[in-house]
Amino acid sequence: GAGVSQTPSNKVTEKGKYVELRCDPISGHTALYWYRQSLGQGPEFLIYFQGTGAADDSGLPNDRFFAVRPEGSVSTLKIQRTERGDSAVYLCASRGQPNTEAFFGQGTRLTVV
Amino acid sequence: QKEVEQNSGPLSVPEGAIASLNCTYSDRGSQSFFWYRQYSGKSPELIMFIYSNGDKEDGRFTAQLNKASQYVSLLIRDSQPSDSATYLCAPSGFGNEKLTFGTGTRLTIIP
Repeated sequence: GAGVSQTPSNKVTEKGKYVELRCDPISGHTALYWYRQSLGQGPEFLIYFQGTGAADDSGLPNDRFFAVRPEGSVSTLKIQRTERGDSAVYLCASRGQPNTEAFFGQGTRLTVV
Repeated sequence: QKEVEQNSGPLSVPEGAIASLNCTYSDRGSQSFFWYRQYSGKSPELIMFIYSNGDKEDGRFTAQLNKASQYVSLLIRDSQPSDSATYLCAPSGFGNEKLTFGTGTRLTIIP
């Protein structure tokens, strides 16, 4: 596609449920990033992939969070046993070459009630 | 120490004046530096990047980098109301593509 696509754009879920957030990066981009952004804060790094592998997952807050990118393109962020504190906008970004611009998707707003 | 530090603001600047945004980073291995602008409710978009010490100018924007001091800044000349946004600083390493953002500085241009 022309840009980074994230689905769904909005997700409301009940506390304790499982959710999956999808990111479709720009075609050919090898690096893919996930961030979490709360109101008034900058994007908080969660994980990034180079190809299929997670190159750095140091930002995942706990073992309820997991992300995959099995074929090196689309990535899914998975959150188990959601908590109200997980409510935030989840941003995905991709870039094609090292040290170049990262392009962001429009984000998924997750609300846990 | 946080990896990237920015004054959160809000920073209020009169229209037509110069806005100065600052950022310090902790990773001495950082090689490239990105400034993103984020409008309320929107995703970040790149406005400037700089790799070398010194200044880089692009229209009304000037990025300044001092690797010895681990400091990067963004100047916006002739500030316009449309410049009102949050500005995010993001250093990127060499051989390590992790991209970490600061908390951002909220800038308001007062007409």
